[in-house]
Amino acid sequence: QVQLVQSGAEVKKPGASVKVSCKASGYTFTSYGIHWVRQAPGQRLEWMGWISVGSDNTKYSENFQGRVTISTDTSASTAHMELSSLRSEDTAVYYCARDDGYSSTWGQGTLVTVSS
Amino acid sequence: EIVMTQSPATLSVSPGERATLSCRASQSVSSNLAWYQQKPGQAPRLLIYGASTRATGIPARFSGSGSGTEFTLTISSLQSEDFAVYYCLQHNDWWTFGQGTKVEIK
Repeated sequence: QVQLVQSGAEVKKPGASVKVSCKASGYTFTSYGIHWVRQAPGQRLEWMGWISVGSDNTKYSENFQGRVTISTDTSASTAHMELSSLRSEDTAVYYCARDDGYSSTWGQGTLVTVSS
Repeated sequence: EIVMTQSPATLSVSPGERATLSCRASQSVSSNLAWYQQKPGQAPRLLIYGASTRATGIPARFSGSGSGTEFTLTISSLQSEDFAVYYCLQHNDWWTFGQGTKVEIK
């Protein structure tokens, strides 16, 4: 079945970077883009950006421009999201989601905690 | 950026009753609107796409309507498993989510 499995929880200090991975299975990885979305505690879902798998074209939300980098490793059917210059407000669950226009398939989420 | 506004923020409903959730876009998103259900500790679950098409496996008590800037999600007879937070998503111009409507037990 179509599935996205994300890497495990991370704890980072302010100013550090974090890289979250998202491994796809059950479909042709290069046929669909991948979105990244985050959700801070008690907050709404927030779109971070998108990558066209295969061409590696990207689009980032202005809210994260300059701090986020989305990439893929097609040989491993894996997408990555790296967020730099972390601050406490970046504490959130980060999700990857397959691009169907909307998305019918989400990863399980990765909790990133930023704390000194 | 398209702004999505959901109302109400919280909806208190008794089991078996009807729930009506609204989502408004700051500009037209055509029918590029999806609804998701999210329970604590879980990823969002797709309910409706194309504003009115139920996703695979979604019960018929969930229905969506609207186009342009005004959308509605209706749950015809609330079951215990339906108490959750519901989000709308516009994907006409990248992605923007509404702030969510929490459906709680009255």
